[in-house]
Amino acid sequence: GAGVSQSPRYKVAKRGQDVALRCDPISGHVSLFWYQQALGQGPEFLTYFQNEAQLDKSGLPSDRFFAERPEGSVSTLKIQRTQQEDSAVYLCASSFLGNTIYFGEGSWLTVV
Amino acid sequence: AQSVTQPDIHITVSEGASLELRCNYSYGATPYLFWYVQSPGQGLQLLLKYFSGDTLVQGIKGFEAEFKRSQSSFNLRKPSVHWSDAAEYFCAIQGSTNAGKSTFGDGTTLTVKP
Repeated sequence: GAGVSQSPRYKVAKRGQDVALRCDPISGHVSLFWYQQALGQGPEFLTYFQNEAQLDKSGLPSDRFFAERPEGSVSTLKIQRTQQEDSAVYLCASSFLGNTIYFGEGSWLTVV
Repeated sequence: AQSVTQPDIHITVSEGASLELRCNYSYGATPYLFWYVQSPGQGLQLLLKYFSGDTLVQGIKGFEAEFKRSQSSFNLRKPSVHWSDAAEYFCAIQGSTNAGKSTFGDGTTLTVKP
């Protein structure tokens, strides 16, 4: 596609519910990143894939967060047993092995 | 550990006036440097980047930034602001070996007065 596509754009989850956020990167982009942006703050790194390999997951805040990219293209970020502090915008970005990354419009998660 | 500081949380300028947004970083070497803009409800759009070479970098929408190694700064400038520039601006750094893994500042919100 022309840009990084994320879905759903908006998600309201009840506390304790599991959610899945999808990212469709720019076609041909090898690298894929997930960032979390809390209200009033800059994005914070969560995890990084090169093709299907998850090379860095140092930013995942807890074991409730899990990301996968099984075929090296689409990625899913899953959050289990959501808590109110998980409310944030989840940004996906992709790049073709380089340092310039291109962001999607984000998935806005509100946990009530 | 690397970090980025954007000292100004909120800046207001009049349309047509000049703009400078400050960014300071902490990193053990010279990082790669980026400025992004984010409009409400939107993702991040890359304005410009610095990897090496000329320390004055030109970007899109008439923005430029200057890398000053001695001050660990990468300030963003625009000579004449337009109302459509109102948005949030983020400075970010990457280590040269951490392709794509960026550290962001907390952003500066720009308001443009008519």
